[in-house]
Amino acid sequence: EVQLVESGGGLVKPGGSLRLSCAASGFTFSSYYMIWVRQAPGKGLEWVSWISGSGSYVYQADSVKGRFTISRDNAKNSMYLQINSLRAEDTAVFYCARGSYYTFDIWGQGTTVTVSS
Amino acid sequence: QSALTQPPSASGSPGQSVTISCTGTSSDVGAYNYVSWYQQNPGKAPKLMIYEVNKRPSGVPDRFSGSKSGNTASLTVSGLQAEDEADYYCNSYVGNYNWVFGGGTKLTVL
Repeated sequence: EVQLVESGGGLVKPGGSLRLSCAASGFTFSSYYMIWVRQAPGKGLEWVSWISGSGSYVYQADSVKGRFTISRDNAKNSMYLQINSLRAEDTAVFYCARGSYYTFDIWGQGTTVTVSS
Repeated sequence: QSALTQPPSASGSPGQSVTISCTGTSSDVGAYNYVSWYQQNPGKAPKLMIYEVNKRPSGVPDRFSGSKSGNTASLTVSGLQAEDEADYYCNSYVGNYNWVFGGGTKLTVL
């Protein structure tokens, strides 16, 4: 079964850091680009970051540049999102998704990040 | 990159058709035939319903269809069913491996 499972979310104080993980199974992970999307409580989806299948190329949304870093380890079938200098407005559910051409066909169940003192 | 514009809500009775619009610009929706639509139920992950403007993934009912004209894409749900009640988000490629989502539309089946 093709599956993505996120982990690593939690409660963190403003200014803190977190590393989110996305574990993939059921497909050849290295053959697909991957993305992170976040959704603040009661709000819409926001594309956050993209990484190529090899991990050599990355892009981030302007809103998170300099604070979020996407990476992947194809040997472990895993993708990561390092989030630094967390702010209250980063409180959201973070989803990882598999890219296929120019769409996202498989999504994880999400991991919740709460930034609060 | 600004979010694509969707109506906050839409509704229809069972059996009817409803269309949700998604308006962007000549830099996103108008520039690429890479518009997707996602269905999201409360507390759940988004699910791909339409990709490349009008293509349906395997398993998505043919009651769901997509189209595009200029800078506006549309999702039409025909023969509405109670299970179609959900939030729907459009998404467009905007170049340089960047994407933008719409603000979402809550579809209510009356």
